[in-house]
Amino acid sequence: DGGITQSPKYLFRKEGQNVTLSCEQNLNHDAMYWYRQDPGQGLRLIYYSQIVNDFQKGDIAEGYSVSREKKESFPLTVTSAQKNPTAFYLCASSIPQFRLRGTGELFFGEGSRLTVL
Amino acid sequence: GENVEQHPSTLSVQEGDSAVIKCTYSDSASNYFPWYKQELGKRPQLIIDIRSNVGEKKDQRIAVTLNKTAKHFSLHITETQPEDSAVYFCAARQQAGTALIFGKGTTLSVSS
Repeated sequence: DGGITQSPKYLFRKEGQNVTLSCEQNLNHDAMYWYRQDPGQGLRLIYYSQIVNDFQKGDIAEGYSVSREKKESFPLTVTSAQKNPTAFYLCASSIPQFRLRGTGELFFGEGSRLTVL
Repeated sequence: GENVEQHPSTLSVQEGDSAVIKCTYSDSASNYFPWYKQELGKRPQLIIDIRSNVGEKKDQRIAVTLNKTAKHFSLHITETQPEDSAVYFCAARQQAGTALIFGKGTTLSVSS
């Protein structure tokens, strides 16, 4: 069953702790993305990666870090430097438009809800 | 960078009425404009998209129009049904190889 899997679904963290959210896809998509969703704020881009070993900052990258060592994996670390980390985090993947048959459509995971206590 | 504004933030309609959601974008180089629907507790899913070389696209009860000169695009839903109730997000992409930038969303409520 192809898709994009995020874990954990719910996560609680104490202030000052780093936490890593997992995102795995078996769709053979080149591009992967992390968005943060807050009520009334829409989906805000944290980081994205178009290819293995390369990634770019989005609009709200401060306090977050990512890695892209494998095509199927794009973990997001929420560091203690992120001032307001409590949020719903969505990972997505796509075949970039510049690829053959690439439409640019994003396929989202089910999300991870992080709560800082 | 790209900035996408979306209006209204909430929209309530009666079943059978039409609903229109509007978005504006800032970067004239943007060329891809999708709309995503997110039902309560679920992930966003693409419902329709349009590229900058097309002015209008329809898919059954939903349609999207694009005005490149004015830099705005709209989602039109006709004959609304209760199952259309959801949060709708518009988005824009500057160029191939960059990420989608989303609007803040519109919560559509369809009452029967």
